[in-house]
Amino acid sequence: QVQLKETGPDLVQLTQTLSITCTVSGFSLTTYNVHWVRQPPGKGLEWMGAMWNGGGTDYNSAFKSRLSISRDTSKSQVFLKMNSLQTDDTAKYFCARNYYDGTYYYYYVMDAWGQGASVTVSS
Amino acid sequence: DIQMTQSPASLSASLGETVTIECRASEDIYNGLAWYQQKPGKSPQLLIYNANSLHTGVPSRFSGSGSGTQYSLKINSLQSEDVASYFCQQYYDYHTFGAGTKLELK
Repeated sequence: QVQLKETGPDLVQLTQTLSITCTVSGFSLTTYNVHWVRQPPGKGLEWMGAMWNGGGTDYNSAFKSRLSISRDTSKSQVFLKMNSLQTDDTAKYFCARNYYDGTYYYYYVMDAWGQGASVTVSS
Repeated sequence: DIQMTQSPASLSASLGETVTIECRASEDIYNGLAWYQQKPGKSPQLLIYNANSLHTGVPSRFSGSGSGTQYSLKINSLQSEDVASYFCQQYYDYHTFGAGTKLELK
């Protein structure tokens, strides 16, 4: 069945770099797009960026140049890397699959999510 | 950028009650709207897309409606497992999430 699983550190030091891996199963990264979404404690959802099935990327401009998304299709993994972390980057980070009904891609609609990786930025 | 205003921010309802959550877009989004449910401590789950299409496996007590700039999610016969936060998302023009509605039992 379709699964996504985020793995990464629980704690990152202020100004350091966050790296999270999303390992997927049950679908191919060359067919489906994968998004990264984060949620600060008690707050709403914030879209960060996407890895398109063709290998391109799309980023939320709010993260400017400090966010990078990449993938390794042979390992069914998508990677998030964000530098210069601040305390307000403390959040749960989710990877999520873009909804595709076999005919149509519903861009930015997400039909399967990982359980999330909770990250605390500590000073 | 299209802004999404979701209301109410929170609500309390009784078991068996019908609940309605609304989202208003700052401009016409031509039914490019999805609804997600996020239970406490869990990841979001897709409920509705295209404003009124029920995603696979979602109970039929959930329904979506609306057009233009006004959309709503209705939950008929509220169940205890429906306690969650609900988010709308427009995807007509790029995409935007609403701020969310926290639904609790009265």
